[in-house]
Amino acid sequence: QLQLQESGPGLVKPSETLSLTCTVAGGSIGVPKFFWGWIRQPPGKGPEWVGSMSNSGTTYYNPSLKNRVTLFLDTSKNQFSLKVNSVTAADTAVYYCIQYLIPPSSVSWGLGTLVTVSS
Amino acid sequence: ENVLTQSPGTLSLSPGERATLSCRASQSVNTYVAWYQHKPGQAHRLLIYGASSRATGIPDRFSGSGSGTDFTLTISRLEPEDFAVYYCHQYVGSSWTFGQGTKVEIK
Repeated sequence: QLQLQESGPGLVKPSETLSLTCTVAGGSIGVPKFFWGWIRQPPGKGPEWVGSMSNSGTTYYNPSLKNRVTLFLDTSKNQFSLKVNSVTAADTAVYYCIQYLIPPSSVSWGLGTLVTVSS
Repeated sequence: ENVLTQSPGTLSLSPGERATLSCRASQSVNTYVAWYQHKPGQAHRLLIYGASSRATGIPDRFSGSGSGTDFTLTISRLEPEDFAVYYCHQYVGSSWTFGQGTKVEIK
């Protein structure tokens, strides 16, 4: 059974870069039909899509975050990574990685990891 | 941005009752809507995609309907394990948005 595990620093200083990794177990990140994405949920708010990536390397970003976000697939480590630069308190959220098909007849979520932006 | 508004924010019901959750989009999304269930400490669970198609393994007490801007998730008879937060999600094109959630709690 597929398992997604997010990891990374729980505290990031303002203006620095937030870096998270999603480790995939029970499946290969190299399977062409799957897409990979990040969703975040700020405290007290609904989920917000951050960005997605196809196995071929095509990326899709939330327009409100586009210039600050980088996604990366590492097939050698079976990991999917997110970087958000120039963070502010507004980037404080639980970050989830997801695997999905298009159309999303199958969507798997990790348990999420809380990232707090604070000095 | 296509804003999804869910109502009500909280639904207080008893096991065995029917739950009706609404999701309204600010722009038409055809039938590109999914619904998720989330319980504390667990991964989000896909219930419905394409507005009305149940995901693999989802009991038939869960049903989805709607098209355009108005969507409904119905749980015909609430089981104890159904008390959770539910989110709608639109996936038109490559830009997704989510609703803020409806909490279904035990009355």
